[in-house]
Amino acid sequence: AQSVAQPEDQVNVAEGNPLTVKCTYSVSGNPYLFWYVQYPNRGLQFLLKYITGDNLVKGSYGFEAEFNKSQTSFHLKKPSALVSDSALYFCAVRVLTGTASKLTFGTGTRLQVTL
Amino acid sequence: EAGVTQSPTHLIKTRGQQATLRCSPISGHTSVYWYQQALGLGLQFLLWYDEGEERNRGNFPPRFSGRQFPNYSSELNVNALELEDSALYLCASSRVSNQPQHFGDGTRLSIL
Repeated sequence: AQSVAQPEDQVNVAEGNPLTVKCTYSVSGNPYLFWYVQYPNRGLQFLLKYITGDNLVKGSYGFEAEFNKSQTSFHLKKPSALVSDSALYFCAVRVLTGTASKLTFGTGTRLQVTL
Repeated sequence: EAGVTQSPTHLIKTRGQQATLRCSPISGHTSVYWYQQALGLGLQFLLWYDEGEERNRGNFPPRFSGRQFPNYSSELNVNALELEDSALYLCASSRVSNQPQHFGDGTRLSIL
């Protein structure tokens, strides 16, 4: 079974400061990892993915994520937070087994960026 | 390129009724996924369709069903609605199963 944990329900950061949203995963097999963002009353927007290759993945809106296989983590980062980054962030993992493909989401972390 | 579109935006039903939710994927995407986002329960995988076939199903009762049409659009049907079915239902599509899923804005289903 695959699972994703986002240990923080909410992360608060001041605008201009770096931010980190944590994600750890558990899978049997090679993981495909994703970050999505959800703004109020909207669907999820894709931010970035890790399939293979470089452990540091760059995505949309200045976000990046670092894949750490030994710690089974895929933390989302941004060097300088903006108030407009305030939203709900979801980490997700997918493992392809045969013809079955299932995307499992974490419970989400609410990011609050203040002036 | 048009994104994933879902209709209706809002749907209000009463217990025991049936609901039909619709999704049109991004052009060229053959896989369609359905998720339920209920308050306090996060995002739960419902169904995955690809090339008209159901490929995978989440832990939901059989009264949740769906189908994918030849043009790759999809319907989600929920029979015998219960109060706990109130949620935002999100549809996503992808070109192939290992590519990122792109989401619509959802249908908010309210059961009175």
